Amino acid sequence: KQEVTQIPAALSVPEGENLVLNCSFTDSAIYNLQWFRQDPGKGLTSLLLIQSSQREQTSGRLNASLDKSSGRSTLYIAASQPGDSATYLCAVSEQGDDKIIFGKGTRLHILP
Amino acid sequence: DAGITQSPRHKVTETGTPVTLRCHQTENHRYMYWYRQDPGHGLRLIHYSYGVKDTDKGEVSDGYSVSRSKTEDFLLTLESATSSQTSVYFCASRFGAGRNEQFFGPGTRLTVL
Repeated sequence: KQEVTQIPAALSVPEGENLVLNCSFTDSAIYNLQWFRQDPGKGLTSLLLIQSSQREQTSGRLNASLDKSSGRSTLYIAASQPGDSATYLCAVSEQGDDKIIFGKGTRLHILP
Repeated sequence: DAGITQSPRHKVTETGTPVTLRCHQTENHRYMYWYRQDPGHGLRLIHYSYGVKDTDKGEVSDGYSVSRSKTEDFLLTLESATSSQTSVYFCASRFGAGRNEQFFGPGTRLTVL
């Protein structure tokens, strides 16, 4: 059974620093991996989706990488800002399965 | 983001009453999902749909039923609400056919007294 883990559960970083959020999954036979952001009291916003054939995706200050063989993905945030404070979740889907499996997220706080 | 709306956004109800939550999407997405989100548990899948009238159970489906009579609407019914169903409920959808990015609605906060 696929399991998705995000460590740490919470992270505080001074404004302006670059940071990396981690996501690991137990079964490397994934179809794709998606990173989301969730602000308090809000729904999830899709940030990046990486297909299994890709190694990374970039959007603005965000860069997501995927290493299927090691079961890991990272979300790199450059030049962090207080507005980046949110919970970040990763989720994987598997070939032939309509469902996606979520990690429990990393709650990020950017210190002004 | 995709045009996904949920109604109601907030609801307070009493134990034993039936409750129906509605999800509406305007993107012609084939797949639709209902999740609940609780502290310590993260997002858990309740039911999902892979087409009109085609649905399947998720990991926490007991006490819930769904219906999808049109592509754009996916209804979640709590047949007899219990306090353990107090939660935030999210609907999501995706197009399918290789376009697998999942989009979420704003959520419904349900309180069962």
